[in-house]
Amino acid sequence: QVQLQESGPGLVKPSETLSLTCAVSGYSISSGYYWGWIRQPPGKGLEWIGSIYHSGSTYYNPSLKSRVTISVDTSKNQFSLKLSSVTAADTAVYYCARQGYGDYVGGVANWFDPWGQGTLVTVSS
Amino acid sequence: AIQMTQSPSSLSASVGDRVTITCRASQGIRNDLGWYQQKPGKAPKLLIYAASSLQSGVPSRFSGSGSGTDFTLTISSLQPEDFATYYCLQDYNYPITFGQGTRLEIK
Repeated sequence: QVQLQESGPGLVKPSETLSLTCAVSGYSISSGYYWGWIRQPPGKGLEWIGSIYHSGSTYYNPSLKSRVTISVDTSKNQFSLKLSSVTAADTAVYYCARQGYGDYVGGVANWFDPWGQGTLVTVSS
Repeated sequence: AIQMTQSPSSLSASVGDRVTITCRASQGIRNDLGWYQQKPGKAPKLLIYAASSLQSGVPSRFSGSGSGTDFTLTISSLQPEDFATYYCLQDYNYPITFGQGTRLEIK
């Protein structure tokens, strides 16, 4: 059973860098799949931040691209998120998830499953 | 980025009702659409992928349909545990984008 667990500081000061790690158990990141970060401001909807392949190939949301770095550490079976120059608008629950994929007639589907439980990061001085 | 628009934004229904939620994409996305259920304080849960494929373990009262720009999630007979917020997601291209959510409440 694949499980993901986010960890990192729950409080970050404005202008500093938010750093989170997602530890994966029950599956080796080296075996494949993309791994993603998604966030949700309090009371609002979901926003995809970015995804990384086990080889290190990344996709980022253009709205955050200048501030985001996602990396993978296969030796520790974990991947990480760094978001620089944070403001109060970055206050959110941050989720990590495995990005599965599969063929269907006419295309390739991607989905996020499973998810971590999420961790609330508050940006405040 | 592809915009995903869900309707309605909120919905009141009773146990046993048949409910339909709609998601419209700003451009054609083939069948590259998923549906997620989120309960308060919990992570989203995958229900449907590739527009109509039911995720393993998800009750058969959930179904998805559509292709191109218009998609629907149908719950055939609402159960108490189905009251939650539902999100669509397009994975046709990056950036992956979500709909704004539909809150399903008890009438």
